[in-house]
Amino acid sequence: NAGVTQTPKFQVLKTGQSMTLQCAQDMNHEYMSWYRQDPGMGLRLIHYSVGAGITDQGEVPNGYNVSRSTTEDFPLRLLSAAPSQTSVYFCASSYLLPLTGGWNTEAFFGQGTRLTVV
Amino acid sequence: AQKVTQAQTEISVVEKEDVTLDCVYETRDTTYYLFWYKQPPSGELVFLIRRNSFDEQNEISGRYSWNFQKSTSSFNFTITASQVVDSAVYFCALVPASGQGAQKLVFGQGTRLTINP
Repeated sequence: NAGVTQTPKFQVLKTGQSMTLQCAQDMNHEYMSWYRQDPGMGLRLIHYSVGAGITDQGEVPNGYNVSRSTTEDFPLRLLSAAPSQTSVYFCASSYLLPLTGGWNTEAFFGQGTRLTVV
Repeated sequence: AQKVTQAQTEISVVEKEDVTLDCVYETRDTTYYLFWYKQPPSGELVFLIRRNSFDEQNEISGRYSWNFQKSTSSFNFTITASQVVDSAVYFCALVPASGQGAQKLVFGQGTRLTINP
């Protein structure tokens, strides 16, 4: 199993350009998310999806779009890149299973995409 | 609102010392999950442990142990007899339960741990 695959691993964009970060998972997980990691701030949630056709905003959604047409894919689109979007981006997928007394869940992360906007 | 605080930005110790990474969380949910992830210099995120809020048992896995205390909203991580390979950034994270999956993790700021030979 490949798990969660992100492409590209590295990207340099000019201010104003648009691009799509790809994310695919082969674990048949219902849930998928995009995070950005900035120094000293941990990871922050950009957008997430609880199933095909359903997406919602996280903590820092401005400047990003997502769609979820299939269970496997969850691309992140930068509409007009800005230097403030220079960051490392992580895609994650997760499951939710009932167990006695509660639930079982875990997030699996891709390798990350290092994006620089100049 | 959910919040996770890792007050220690950086820790540096000599190999074989024990080290504890602190994690304090805030949530109004009565059930929730807590996680620890390791990010080695190569950059990927490695899952270490998940703890459900209704399970307050501490856990030990080899040189790693976790102390979950609901009364103080803390979920601390201890590495015993540290090794150079433990050098990484460690993240504590929280997700509310109530039927939700881990699609909305709230991360702490991370603690950069350096183990010197």
